[in-house]
Amino acid sequence: GESVGLHLPTLSVQEGDNSIINCAYSNSASDYFIWYKQESGKGPQFIIDIRSNMDKRQGQRVTVLLNKTVKHLSLQIAATQPGDSAVYFCAENPNQAGTALIFGKGTTLSVSS
Amino acid sequence: DAGVIQSPRHEVTEMGQEVTLRCKPISGHNSLFWYRQTMMRGLELLIYFNNNVPIDDSGMPEDRFSAKMPNASFSTLKIQPSEPRDSAVYFCASSWDTGNTEAFFGQGTRLTVV
Repeated sequence: GESVGLHLPTLSVQEGDNSIINCAYSNSASDYFIWYKQESGKGPQFIIDIRSNMDKRQGQRVTVLLNKTVKHLSLQIAATQPGDSAVYFCAENPNQAGTALIFGKGTTLSVSS
Repeated sequence: DAGVIQSPRHEVTEMGQEVTLRCKPISGHNSLFWYRQTMMRGLELLIYFNNNVPIDDSGMPEDRFSAKMPNASFSTLKIQPSEPRDSAVYFCASSWDTGNTEAFFGQGTRLTVV
């Protein structure tokens, strides 16, 4: 079956470093991607999204890169802070009629000061 | 808007009992999703509705699970009878569109079946 997966289950960084979280997707027809952040005891929260007609999108301290050739998505967090510690999920829209977002299993980001 | 509201936040029940989880989506959103989250399986889509109509319930584990959306502002997920393996965090989310826009999540209901 088709699925959204993550390269690394955990990532540990020092405060102030840049973080890169990766995601591989297998559905070449997917046309919309989202990164979510989930803090302990809370629901996932939207960080940034990107559509398949773009390869890069920037937000505040975050950048999402999309490489459709290798079906790879990444989230870059600049100057990582302890408050960035959370589980990060990528999600894709398979671009089929009546389908919902499909989530990967998540990467835990741990930021030490 | 207060966001997606779920109740209860925590539920502990005995095996065999009926459990009902509740969700109020964001006003104006026409899609509603129920997800289940466990350490082993991550976030799994159980069922979703568009304009109060169930579109895809293929993620519902078995007949013990049922979901309803009687109106645009309320949905329930029911488990009857509950089993220990149903223990998980259940999230409700809503969005403007089924899969082409961001989904907003509630705080979740942590269900423990003993």
